[in-house]
Amino acid sequence: DGGITQSPKYLFRKEGQNVTLSCEQNLNHDAMYWYRQDPGQGLRLIYYSQIVNDFQKGDIAEGYSVSREKKESFPLTVTSAQKNPTAFYLCASGDRPNTGELFFGEGSRLTVL
Amino acid sequence: KQEVTQIPAALSVPEGENLVLNCSFTDSAIYNLQWFRQDPGKGLTSLLLIQSSQREQTSGRLNASLDKSSGRSTLYIAASQPGDSATYLCAVRHSGRSQGNLIFGKGTKLSVKP
Repeated sequence: DGGITQSPKYLFRKEGQNVTLSCEQNLNHDAMYWYRQDPGQGLRLIYYSQIVNDFQKGDIAEGYSVSREKKESFPLTVTSAQKNPTAFYLCASGDRPNTGELFFGEGSRLTVL
Repeated sequence: KQEVTQIPAALSVPEGENLVLNCSFTDSAIYNLQWFRQDPGKGLTSLLLIQSSQREQTSGRLNASLDKSSGRSTLYIAASQPGDSATYLCAVRHSGRSQGNLIFGKGTKLSVKP
């Protein structure tokens, strides 16, 4: 089936540790995105990539890093520099330059202990 | 800076009612607008996408309209069912340099009572 796969679904991290969230898509989309969702705040953009080997910072990129070595994959690393990392993380891919429609994965919930 | 507002934040209706969810945006220079559904603890499911040149889109019991000049979109749900209970989010994509980014509203949490 075509879609976006995020893993792990749940992740627990101790303070000071880096963690990497995986996002893989088989929709043949060029554009991929990472959003963070907090209760009452809506979705906020962390990073996005419109093509392989290129990515741009979003509104809240501090404390995060990404790579885009393959079209299908856009992993997000939450570093120890991220002061409040506990959140629900959502990966998406976009049907650009066609309709521009965005499709989302099931999300990864990160909890810092 | 584009801002997207959804009112009301929560809505409870009895099964079978027709209902309207509202989305407003401050900058009319949009590329498209997309409506999503989110169930608790899950990702977002795309419901309808309206391009800036379109006035409405329909899918089954759902109809979304777009009025760029007034900065508004509505999502109409006909004959609501308990399975429609979820949070509904709208998002706009700007038509300018930041074409890659969607700006989201905070959502309307819908509860349909049997």
